[in-house]
Amino acid sequence: AQTVTQSQPEMSVQEAETVTLSCTYDTSESNYYLFWYKQPPSRQMILVIRQEAYKQQNATENRFSVNFQKAAKSFSLKISDSQLGDTAMYFCAFMKSAGGTSYGKLTFGQGTILTVHP
Amino acid sequence: GAGVSQSPSNKVTEKGKDVELRCDPISGHTALYWYRQSLGQGLEFLIYFQGNSAPDKSGLPSDRFSAERTGGSVSTLTIQRTQQEDSAVYLCASSVWGRLNTEAFFGQGTRLTVV
Repeated sequence: AQTVTQSQPEMSVQEAETVTLSCTYDTSESNYYLFWYKQPPSRQMILVIRQEAYKQQNATENRFSVNFQKAAKSFSLKISDSQLGDTAMYFCAFMKSAGGTSYGKLTFGQGTILTVHP
Repeated sequence: GAGVSQSPSNKVTEKGKDVELRCDPISGHTALYWYRQSLGQGLEFLIYFQGNSAPDKSGLPSDRFSAERTGGSVSTLTIQRTQQEDSAVYLCASSVWGRLNTEAFFGQGTRLTVV
């Protein structure tokens, strides 16, 4: 079974600054995907960024980037130039990849509440 | 539809009553998932559908919980004899089966309160 741990229940950052959210996971799988999801007060889960475990290069999406350390089983999210609209709960998630197609079941961490202050 | 639709948005029920939660996935998405989000907790997997069959029901917490999917589309999660510990947000997601890097699209959830 997989476990995902987010050790920061809450974080805050000033607008325009950079913040890093931490995530560690435990698995015996060799092929998998890692995700960061954002959940604003509307409850809508939105995919922020995705990383395939076989890729050494860290994924980036505009202001969002990850630091993927496979040996350490660490997957942190960096948000640059933070904006007020980034205020939300952020979830780290794990998904097995079997036989070249993704099974789809996500295992989530406990979440980190991020508040961006003006 | 344009996105995953869940109804009702909020539901308050009395302890012991049965409730039905509905999920209408994105058209063409063959995979459908139910998750539960309790206060202060992460999302907990409940059940997964591929078409109308459920290959993985391992997350259903008790036999009071059941789910079905018809026509490869709409799914209903039923909770019988609700208990206060069932209070949570129930989230549904859908995705296209078989594609690499498939993304799960989530609905806005149903907030269930058992009083």
